[in-house]
Amino acid sequence: SYVLTQPPSVSVAPGQTARLTCGGNNIGRKSVHWYQQKPGQAPVLVIYDDRDRPSGIPERFSGSNSGNTATLTISRVEAGDEADYYCQVWLSGSDHPGVFGTGTKVSVL
Amino acid sequence: QVQLVESGGALVKPGGSLRLSCAASGFIFRDYYMSWIRQAPGKGPEWISYIDESSSTVYYAESVKGRFTISRDNANNTLYLQMDSLRVDDTAVYYCAREIVVVAAWGQGTLVTVSS
Repeated sequence: SYVLTQPPSVSVAPGQTARLTCGGNNIGRKSVHWYQQKPGQAPVLVIYDDRDRPSGIPERFSGSNSGNTATLTISRVEAGDEADYYCQVWLSGSDHPGVFGTGTKVSVL
Repeated sequence: QVQLVESGGALVKPGGSLRLSCAASGFIFRDYYMSWIRQAPGKGPEWISYIDESSSTVYYAESVKGRFTISRDNANNTLYLQMDSLRVDDTAVYYCAREIVVVAAWGQGTLVTVSS
């Protein structure tokens, strides 16, 4: 089955930039979506189709995808960005189409 | 606005059954695929089931195949998940979600705890 690997944790100071990676075999050929999840809450979509932002998501959130790595970049990090972040792909026709990454905990110092 | 409200979560013994419901509002329910996604404590989400608009296509992850049944009532804008032969490793928060491929709308989740 397809595996998406994320670093368990990233620490960043307020105002700095956080770069979260999501590794998968030829992930650059797939559409990657990113979710933010705060404790006790449901996930919230922050990036879809590699780089598009849903309405209401700040421009500080951006995405890219190439080769074997997709990246979520959070610019000018704020305390409110502290959360778990999951990448996700959809594999049409697969026995296991909806795949989530292992998740990255972002801590704001 | 889109609202998805799950109910039915509870503490149940191994081997027991539970039926989850998801009441949908704010959109034309019958026009959308619907999904169930669960999240075990301290783990990432797991996509376990989906159903198409007319209930003609359903999907189950291997982890729940043969034990869980997804269904929907388009007249009453409600999604269901019948869970039988529950196991300890089914313990999780269960989320109702609109669509497949990418999820922009999630419910608040309902907790299912399987323990003796």
